[in-house]
Amino acid sequence: NAGVTQTPKFQVLKTGQSMTLQCAQDMNHNSMYWYRQDPGMGLRLIYYSASEGTTDKGEVPNGYNVSRLNKREFSLRLESAAPSQTSVYFCASRDVIKDTQYFGPGTRLTVL
Amino acid sequence: QKEVEQDPGPLSVPEGAIVSLNCTYSNSAFQYFMWYRQYSRKGPELLMYTYSSGNKEDGRFTAQVDKSSKYISLFIRDSQPSDSATYLCACWNSGGSNYKLTFGKGTLLTVNP
Repeated sequence: NAGVTQTPKFQVLKTGQSMTLQCAQDMNHNSMYWYRQDPGMGLRLIYYSASEGTTDKGEVPNGYNVSRLNKREFSLRLESAAPSQTSVYFCASRDVIKDTQYFGPGTRLTVL
Repeated sequence: QKEVEQDPGPLSVPEGAIVSLNCTYSNSAFQYFMWYRQYSRKGPELLMYTYSSGNKEDGRFTAQVDKSSKYISLFIRDSQPSDSATYLCACWNSGGSNYKLTFGKGTLLTVNP
């Protein structure tokens, strides 16, 4: 049971490049989330998906797009990366029974 | 004002000390309160979970919620170097949509041997 997995673990981009961060969970959870974590800012919600086929904006959605590919996978895309998107990105999924979120190990992204 | 405020620290204590970590919140609709622990370069993991006011104990950890003053606390007894981590409080409102947690910024704790 791997829980929540994220790829890649590290990435360096140049300004204007695009990339997709991948997230998968094997816990059969309906809801999935993308957060970014910056020093002094805490965890901020970018997008979430309450169930397969639905996505909604969170607190800081600008510059990002998401796809809920199926129940297991939720990807985050940066179409034209900017230095302000340098951050650590966490994916999470929600356990309805235990009423909590499980987080992946994170992707450390640097945009030069 | 952010909905959830947390002193970022850092907090440094000797091994064996009692640690008190605190958050305040402004949204009176919050009903569920959590503490997550995040080790360096790892994802957050759930440590404690409480509903409404009261105390909850789990080993060396006690979570306390006072809804009248909108204050939540995490106490760590007999702290160990392995407790060194960032602790994040989180709140949510079951009447809101889609289980969006509101996190504090986290407090960095170091327990010195």
